[in-house]
Amino acid sequence: IQLTQSPSSLSASVGDRVTITCRASQAISNYLAWYQQKPGKAPKLLIYAASTLQSGVPSRFSGSGSGTDFTLTISSLQPEDFATYYCQQFKSYPLTFGGGTKVGIK
Amino acid sequence: EVQLVESGGGLVQPGGSLRLSCAASGFTFSSYSMNWVRQAPGKGLEWVSYISSGGSPTYYADSVKGRFTISRDNAKNSLFLQMSSLRAGDTAVYYCAREIPGAWDPWGQGTLVTVSS
Repeated sequence: IQLTQSPSSLSASVGDRVTITCRASQAISNYLAWYQQKPGKAPKLLIYAASTLQSGVPSRFSGSGSGTDFTLTISSLQPEDFATYYCQQFKSYPLTFGGGTKVGIK
Repeated sequence: EVQLVESGGGLVQPGGSLRLSCAASGFTFSSYSMNWVRQAPGKGLEWVSYISSGGSPTYYADSVKGRFTISRDNAKNSLFLQMSSLRAGDTAVYYCAREIPGAWDPWGQGTLVTVSS
């Protein structure tokens, strides 16, 4: 199952609303997770089951979608949110990731 | 604190072998499936291998099938990845990750494997 993320990169300002999309090549129900990765660090789980916020993750992060189209939204971008974001499908092996979206500072 | 710590990475010549380890702490290791995933320099994430909580079944990415072997020692809270016939394309940071329903959490800090002559 191929996952296509868009955009591959974006520039935004602190306080902006940011939306990242992830499209699956076939229906995956809600078997989708989102991760944040900062340079030199391991990925960190943000959202699983498409829309469930992982414990400890700020509420400005939210996820939505089902089937083939999914969205990660950051409601008000904070300085610590500048990072690369990946989606991952959990529907079937081989588990696959999107290509990543790098969120940079405008 | 739930923690995963990888070790065993390093520089290896093409065709060589390396064994990675992942030490788990802060949770009941024997109750969780585990995965290895890698990230080539400047690139995205690639799943490598899966092992269930009891050690079987195991799954592999096509890119490593027949060359890599995943295993675990639940008595020692440890996960392993035996890598052989290494190629330049295997150069990456290798992470271990605990599987929870619908996601991986946490991930280890990673260990760098460099395949070069």
